[in-house]
Amino acid sequence: NAGVMQNPRHLVRRRGQEARLRCSPMKGHSHVYWYRQLPEEGLKFMVYLQKENIIDESGMPKERFSAEFPKEGPSILRIQQVVRGDSAAYFCASSPAKGTAENTIYFGEGSWLTVV
Amino acid sequence: GENVEQHPSTLSVQEGDSAVIKCTYSDSASNYFPWYKQELGKRPQLIIDIRSNVGEKKDQRIAVTLNKTAKHFSLHITETQPEDSAVYFCAAIATDSWGKLQFGAGTQVVVTP
Repeated sequence: NAGVMQNPRHLVRRRGQEARLRCSPMKGHSHVYWYRQLPEEGLKFMVYLQKENIIDESGMPKERFSAEFPKEGPSILRIQQVVRGDSAAYFCASSPAKGTAENTIYFGEGSWLTVV
Repeated sequence: GENVEQHPSTLSVQEGDSAVIKCTYSDSASNYFPWYKQELGKRPQLIIDIRSNVGEKKDQRIAVTLNKTAKHFSLHITETQPEDSAVYFCAAIATDSWGKLQFGAGTQVVVTP
């Protein structure tokens, strides 16, 4: 059973370019979460998605960032017109359902974005 | 919203000694408290978790305690080994906010042989 799959693992973008990060949840998981980890900091929640729905985007910056989880295919976190401050590790996580005692949230290996 | 504070920020221990990391939370609705271990350049890895209907949980050399009244929980690592060196994060979440983990700032643990 493959875990949460993220790609690319490392991405370098010049200022002003776009970054697209992809996440495939664990098999059987329908809930996807994106977190951002700035250098030497903890993880900060960005967005919670289910298939074709954004459930909670309270942690997303108001501009340049968007996320989707289409009916088919992986979840995508998109950052437009990247700036140096976007350099961070972006972690995707998934869970099978919401709020049950058996739920555990599993993280992918992360995508490290460097903006030069 | 939830606010999680974690102490200490760094912890150096001799191999074989115990390490204790403490976290406090603010939201009384929080009822699930996972601990993650993160090695440099790697993903956070769940090492143990506790739910609010339990006061203590143990898994080999790792244990977690929860005091709901005081709103604090702790990670205990006994007989530390060099491979325990990593950054450890506590987190808290309420089931009606599932997925929106609130993380502590992390503790850098260094185990010296």
